[in-house]
Parts: sequence; C-alpha cells; structure tokens
Amino acid sequence: ETGVTQSPTHLIKTRGQQVTLRCSSQSGHNTVSWYQQALGQGPQFIFQYYREEENGRGNFPPRFSGLQFPNYSSELNVNALELDDSALYLCASSFWGGAEAFFGQGTRLTVV
Amino acid sequence: QKEVEQNSGPLSVPEGAIASLNCTYSDRGSQSFFWYRQYSGKSPELIMSIYSNGDKEDGRFTAQLNKASQYVSLLIRDSQPSDSATYLCALNSNSGYALNFGKGTSLLVTP
Repeated sequence: ETGVTQSPTHLIKTRGQQVTLRCSSQSGHNTVSWYQQALGQGPQFIFQYYREEENGRGNFPPRFSGLQFPNYSSELNVNALELDDSALYLCASSFWGGAEAFFGQGTRLTVV
Repeated sequence: QKEVEQNSGPLSVPEGAIASLNCTYSDRGSQSFFWYRQYSGKSPELIMSIYSNGDKEDGRFTAQLNKASQYVSLLIRDSQPSDSATYLCALNSNSGYALNFGKGTSLLVTP
C-alpha cells in the first residue's frame, strides 16, 4: 500500500454532468499529480499541484480543473462530461523535486 | 510529442526464465526513469527507478539504462506466475513535473 487514497473507487455519470474526484496524498508528500488512463493505454498526465497551485498541465481542456488543499489533499473536477472521459483516473503523490511518484488505487469513471 | 515506446506484447515466458522488457524514448533531456507494474484492474505500482547509466539491481529485478542509445530495460529473473502483469516504462525530464508513460508491455509467465 502506498498511503495514497482516492475516492470514490467507481462512479457512473451521464454525459454533460460534472464530477469531483478526491485524493489524499501519502504522509509527508506535498505534490499531487493526476493522470487519466484509458483502456489499453499508459497513464496520461492531466496536471500537477504544489503549494495549492497548478504547476504544469498536460493536453487536457479547461473543463478539467483541480484544487489542492493546505493538507496537500487534492480534487479533480471534470465539467460537461463526454463519453471519452470514461477512464481510470489516477492520483500520484510525491515530494516536490523528488522524482518517485506513488499512485492511489484509482477511480474508475464511466460516462453513459 | 515526446515518445516512450514499448512493445505491447504479450511477452510470454515460462516460469523460472528471465523476462526482458524494453523501452526506448525520444527526449534526450530525460533524467529519471521508472518501471511500474500494473495488474489488471489495479493502479500502477513503482518497482524500480534508475537515474544514471548502467545497471541497478533490486532482488529479482534489474533495471538497465543507456542514455546514449535512449534505451531502458527491465530484467526479471526467476519469473513467477505472480509477475504476470503489464509493465509500464515512465520517465521525466524535470523533477517535480509530469511522468511520460509508454503504453506498457503485457507479460505472461506460464507455469
């Protein structure tokens, strides 16, 4: 176990709805990154948060947004859900400047 | 787009054999390299990290890095059926930023 926890583990939403996914980072880690993993693909970087600010973003539209809280936990929000947003969403925590990242168990999002 | 290439497999090896997993990358600025293991329906688990040229051993696992050839590999000795999983190669060029993943290689260890 990595100590990174995500909730919920599974979620079904309807196209056009909004969703919020949550992540608690490993104790002592101050950086949280979010990834999307489609079936049969490697994880794709969405964005990273450090000191409660977005610090780097992948090729994802603005309807993907996030927050980091003072206790280093984080949220990923996705607005106007599309069918292609169906994927495993992974949160990874690390030390800032430390290269090793540890993943939570993921949230499986299905958009119907 | 900075590419990380892996053979998707499946790579099938008999129990007790050496499994060799390979990864090539295009970004010469890459500094840190990782191997993650992902069981079906689960999240990636970090099994090896390597930062300098050469070999790094940890138990049955050996990671090999050749920055000149832009090549990183993972050897699994004495492969066990429990090693059957998808192995993801990942790297980043700027510590604290994004990991760039390959699509993964599926490994099947047959009894």
